[in-house]
Amino acid sequence: GAVVSQHPSRVICKSGTSVKIECRSLDFQATTMFWYRQFPKKSLMLMATSNEGSKATYEQGVEKDKFLINHASLTLSTLTVTSAHPEDSSFYICSATSGSTDTQYFGPGTRLTVL
Amino acid sequence: GDSVTQMEGPVTLSEEAFLTINCTYTATGYPSLFWYVQYPGEGLQLLLKATKADDKGSNKGFEATYRKETTSFHLEKGSVQVSDSAVYFCALSGKGYSTLTFGKGTMLLVSP
Repeated sequence: GAVVSQHPSRVICKSGTSVKIECRSLDFQATTMFWYRQFPKKSLMLMATSNEGSKATYEQGVEKDKFLINHASLTLSTLTVTSAHPEDSSFYICSATSGSTDTQYFGPGTRLTVL
Repeated sequence: GDSVTQMEGPVTLSEEAFLTINCTYTATGYPSLFWYVQYPGEGLQLLLKATKADDKGSNKGFEATYRKETTSFHLEKGSVQVSDSAVYFCALSGKGYSTLTFGKGTMLLVSP
């Protein structure tokens, strides 16, 4: 149980385009989803926390107009990187938790490369 | 605020050696403690957790005991395998019920 999927696993895009990453909880209802960014050989940096049906809460320094997060249902959250630039290239990981536990279950990650 | 400190890696061991990865934390209240493992190119997998003092989390031969008196949650395994090579993250949930604070991660390299 507690499986989280992400799609796509890898994406390459041109500078200036937008990219959408999906995060799905497959076998549980995720009241809260988290989006992280991970730089090479570094720990995870929390970008934002989203609760189903409400606006995401962004961490300090994360541009909410650039990283659009939507949590439209209890099983789906999306991260859209708008007008992507090479410095946005990174490994993006989502996680999900249900209201009954403080354990986060992580997706497999999405490798974004912006040319 | 909350913080997690892990030993710096990489930790290099031969197969069947004993593993310890140290983790200490600073937090208010009574956090839950976690170890996550990340294999190359993948997301994080929950390895084990403990929710209160003196709890021992265990999974796949790995163990960690929640020590409140020393604010530690060291990861141990009696006999590592090559397949254990990965990055290990210690984390706690404190502020906001499910928000995690991660350590920087410790890379483990196991050679045959």
